[in-house]
Amino acid sequence: DIQLTQSPSFLSASVGDRVTITCRASQGISSYLAWYQQKPGKAPKLLIYAASTLQSGVPSRFSGSGSGTEFTLTISSLQPEDFATYYCQQLNSYLFTFGGGTKVEIK
Amino acid sequence: EVQLVESGGGLVKPGGSLRLSCAASGFTFSSYSMNWVRQAPGKGLEWVSSISSSSSYIYYADSVKGRFTISRDNAKNSLYLQMNSLRAEDTAVYYCACSIAVAAAFDYWGQGTLVTVSS
Repeated sequence: DIQLTQSPSFLSASVGDRVTITCRASQGISSYLAWYQQKPGKAPKLLIYAASTLQSGVPSRFSGSGSGTEFTLTISSLQPEDFATYYCQQLNSYLFTFGGGTKVEIK
Repeated sequence: EVQLVESGGGLVKPGGSLRLSCAASGFTFSSYSMNWVRQAPGKGLEWVSSISSSSSYIYYADSVKGRFTISRDNAKNSLYLQMNSLRAEDTAVYYCACSIAVAAAFDYWGQGTLVTVSS
C-alpha cells in the first residue's frame, strides 16, 4: 500500500504569511495527488487535483506542485478563512490513501 | 445540483451490525464510481471502500476487509455500506464521496453520518 506522509502536522501562522505543506509518497504516484481543506464539523473540500490543477472556485492563492513522490501545497498569502486542516490524497492505486493532515492555526 | 445524503448512522454495540446509505441526486449516478471515507473523532481522513459504476470493481481498506461490504443500487441512485463485526475503532463519521467533474479526486462529498460503537 502507498503511504503518504504530510509535514508539518501542525503549523502556526499569521494572516498574510506564505505557507507550504509537504506530502511525500512511499512510492511514485505520478501526478495522482489531490489536496483538501477541512473545517471543523464539515466535509472536506477539494482544492487541488492532479497535483497542480486548481479546482473551480478555489482562490488563486492556493497552488500545488510536484510529481512522483514529493508534493507541496502553497498558500501564497494566508487569509482568516484558510485556518483549517489540510489533507493530501493519492489516487494512483485503488487504495486511495490520505495523508495524516496538517492543521493550520492562527499565531 | 449534486447532492449526497448519508443516513443510517447511530449507536451500536461491539460485534453488532449497521447499514449506511447514501442517496445521490443531481447527476447520472450509474455512470460514476462511489466511495466511503471515514473520520474518527479528532483524527484524520481514512478511505474505506470504493465501488465502480457497474459494481464490477470493489476495493476495501485492510482495516475493514472481511467485515464491511459496499454495494449500490443504480435504479435507486443509492450507495450502501454494510458494516458487520463492528469494533470501537470503527467509531467515526462516515462520508460518501465521488469524482464527477474532475478525474482522480473526490469533488463531491456528503455531510456525513456518525457511527458510534460502544457498549
